[in-house]
Amino acid sequence: DTAVSQTPKYLVTQMGNDKSIKCEQNLGHDTMYWYKQDSKKFLKIMFSYNNKELIINETVPNRFSPKSPDKAHLNLHINSLELGDSAVYFCASSQGQEQFFGPGTRLTVL
Amino acid sequence: EDQVTQSPEALRLQEGESSSLNCSYTVSGLRGLFWYRQDPGKGPEFLFTLYSAGEEKEKERLKATLTKKESFLHITAPKPEDSATYLCAVHTSGTYKYIFGTGTRLKVLA
Repeated sequence: DTAVSQTPKYLVTQMGNDKSIKCEQNLGHDTMYWYKQDSKKFLKIMFSYNNKELIINETVPNRFSPKSPDKAHLNLHINSLELGDSAVYFCASSQGQEQFFGPGTRLTVL
Repeated sequence: EDQVTQSPEALRLQEGESSSLNCSYTVSGLRGLFWYRQDPGKGPEFLFTLYSAGEEKEKERLKATLTKKESFLHITAPKPEDSATYLCAVHTSGTYKYIFGTGTRLKVLA
């Protein structure tokens, strides 16, 4: 059974488009996260939700909007995609401090 | 400013050649320090959590240690399957954020 899953795994799109990435966890965790990993493999937190409530909102452009319909799901919607948004986006969840990561979504903006 | 620095950036070892990876941190308060392993094209996989100076954790050929300023991941008699990027992260008590280092890319040659 997949603990943290993300869809799609790959996303190729044109500049200016709007896209969404979905994340689901079946671990029963209360907290979920979105991370961005750039080409140099640096992993940076973007958002964190605890029981559907936003608790961490890093300095991320307003074009990025997370949505948590329930505590098992955290989706990421990105408006007006830019070239610099190209990266791998990871979803994670935790109950204690240890985080469990999804397989990642590689976003390529052309 | 909270910061995590890992060294070396890359490391090549012969099979059986033991070595250590370093993670130096500067944070306002430490809730926990984590080690993850990341294989190409996959999400980080949790290895260890360390909470206080002097603490040690072991798993197979890996041993993690913690001081007040740094953590080491010791790899004893590594095998080719230990090849991966090893990430260090801290969970800060001030902002409750997770801050990742840039990782050490380990290659173990047969």
